[in-house]
Amino acid sequence: DARVTQTPRHKVTEMGQEVTMRCQPILGHNTVFWYRQTMMQGLELLAYFRNRAPLDDSGMPKDRFSAEMPDATLATLKIQPSEPRDSAVYFCASGPGQGDTEAFFGQGTRLTVV
Amino acid sequence: GEDVEQSLFLSVREGDSSVINCTYTDSSSTYLYWYKQEPGAGLQLLTYIFSNMDMKQDQRLTVLLNKKDKHLSLRIADTQTGDSAIYFCAVSGGSYIPTFGRGTSLIVHP
Repeated sequence: DARVTQTPRHKVTEMGQEVTMRCQPILGHNTVFWYRQTMMQGLELLAYFRNRAPLDDSGMPKDRFSAEMPDATLATLKIQPSEPRDSAVYFCASGPGQGDTEAFFGQGTRLTVV
Repeated sequence: GEDVEQSLFLSVREGDSSVINCTYTDSSSTYLYWYKQEPGAGLQLLTYIFSNMDMKQDQRLTVLLNKKDKHLSLRIADTQTGDSAIYFCAVSGGSYIPTFGRGTSLIVHP
């Protein structure tokens, strides 16, 4: 049963701490997306990778957020330092990257920064 | 950039049809999707349509596309309580990056 796996599912942290969220895309998928979901903004694209290379991270606050793909089986999203306004659900999605890129979503990481 | 708009709520009676509407701004959008999100879960692709199609039917789901008006709709026939969820419209073009609407909360009551 192929699925996108995200860890942790929930994270509560204090303001100023570093947060790392991890994503294991579906094996064989070569596109990875990071989205942030909030009540106010809905789903916002933070970063987009194809073949592990970042193609679009214009939606990501560069001063505190960073996204990487150390290898084809792992994508990470880091926030340092974290702020209360970063509280949201962060979704990772992967796709086969062929023409119609259907994005398969993980279950998300619910981040609360206090 | 692309802008995708949806109404926020829809309430229907069990057994009735639901129609969820979506409008978008980029006429070059090539792929149009409907995703479903249940509480505490990620988004699940329900169906999609290419821009060269007007309609697509998949069991209880019917997608209608009006390219001229940039309007997409999802019809759910015989709506059940298990269909209660948030439904997201998404569109993508040459960049293949889906842009999502805010989602429509579908509430099904007996």
